[in-house]
Amino acid sequence: DTGVSQDPRHKITKRGQNVTFRCDPISEHNRLYWYRQTLGQGPEFLTYFQNEAQLEKSRLLSDRFSAERPKGSFSTLEIQHTEQGDSAMYLCASSLAGLAAYNEQFFGPGTRLTVL
Amino acid sequence: AQKVTQAQTEISVVEKEDVTLDCVYETRDTTYYLFWYKQPPSGELVFLIRRNSFDEQNEISGRYSWNFQKSTSSFNFTITASQVVDSAVYFCALSGPSYQLTFGKGTKLSVIP
Repeated sequence: DTGVSQDPRHKITKRGQNVTFRCDPISEHNRLYWYRQTLGQGPEFLTYFQNEAQLEKSRLLSDRFSAERPKGSFSTLEIQHTEQGDSAMYLCASSLAGLAAYNEQFFGPGTRLTVL
Repeated sequence: AQKVTQAQTEISVVEKEDVTLDCVYETRDTTYYLFWYKQPPSGELVFLIRRNSFDEQNEISGRYSWNFQKSTSSFNFTITASQVVDSAVYFCALSGPSYQLTFGKGTKLSVIP
């Protein structure tokens, strides 16, 4: 499978615990994005990387959230001290930077987080 | 600020009927891209189409067609002869210079056999 993969697919945790999600983009894609989707809503942008550089962060990304892409390949999203409001689907997407500035983003299956 | 409005929350049609999903957008950017994505019950977002702000030519792909009208800031999506497999949530999205996608709230389409 050469699409975007995410791990785990589901995560249940207790309030206050830390969680980490992983995203593996399509191999030749140098841009990687994180979005959050709550029930009945469209995905909301969190942050994006070009190679290993984190170039933009949404105001939705509180200090409890941190994302990394250490070698410009896979990325991790960590949430510290989880709250019930963090319960959502966390989506990763990747795209290829090229002459067409706004290439389509291809999404992974998501990680569904439930905070009890 | 960018905004995408999908006024239709849910639509139900009988199989083989045509259906149009509406999308209205707001942006101050002169260069932008519009997208449609499909999210079936399995949950994974599937890319359908990208259209840039300088290309108002309508596009047809099989049973799918898209009507981009800059004058009304609309990018509507029509499915002809709908099928049960078309049942999904459809999202319209907008991208400007910052590359992030701004999504609408989605339209849930149910195609009844």
